[in-house]
Amino acid sequence: DGGITQSPKYLFRKEGQNVTLSCEQNLNHDAMYWYRQDPGQGLRLIYYSQIVNDFQKGDIAEGYSVSREKKESFPLTVTSAQKNPTAFYLCASSNSRQGRNTGELFFGEGSRLTVL
Amino acid sequence: GNSVTQMEGPVTLSEEAFLTINCTYTATGYPSLFWYVQYPGEGLQLLLKATKADDKGSNKGFEATYRKETTSFHLEKGSVQVSDSAVYFCALSDFTGGGNKLTFGTGTQLKVEL
Repeated sequence: DGGITQSPKYLFRKEGQNVTLSCEQNLNHDAMYWYRQDPGQGLRLIYYSQIVNDFQKGDIAEGYSVSREKKESFPLTVTSAQKNPTAFYLCASSNSRQGRNTGELFFGEGSRLTVL
Repeated sequence: GNSVTQMEGPVTLSEEAFLTINCTYTATGYPSLFWYVQYPGEGLQLLLKATKADDKGSNKGFEATYRKETTSFHLEKGSVQVSDSAVYFCALSDFTGGGNKLTFGTGTQLKVEL
């Protein structure tokens, strides 16, 4: 089945450690996104990538880094510089090609990061 | 910039009650509008969408109409079920600069009781 796979589902980290969240999609979508979800704040965009080897900062990129070496993969690293990293992280993809872009995002099931 | 405002929750209803969750937006141009649903511990799923003024999106008994004159996209369902308990997010699409970035509201939690 086509979809988006995020791993791990739950992750615990000590302060000062970097951690990388995995996101893989087999939908053949060009664009991929990372959102952060906090209670009462909805979803906020961290980074997005429209094409391989290219990505742009979203609204809250500080303390995060990404790479897009393959179309299928868009890993997110939460660095020690992120002051409040405990949150639910959601990866998404979309078909952004002209004529096929319906505006819809397809989401993974999320990764919950807790900093101890 | 773009923004989405939706009513705060939680909204608690009895089964078979009528549901309305209000959503208003601010945007330049003519965005597409979406409702997403999130069940506990899961990611978001698209519930319905509308791409232009006066369009009505519908799915699983839920409906929402794109009202340009009032910049609104309110979600309605005539008779809710316990299984509808979830968090509902209103969102608009922003195609500026390429790609598709969604701007989300803060979400409205719905609890349906027997």
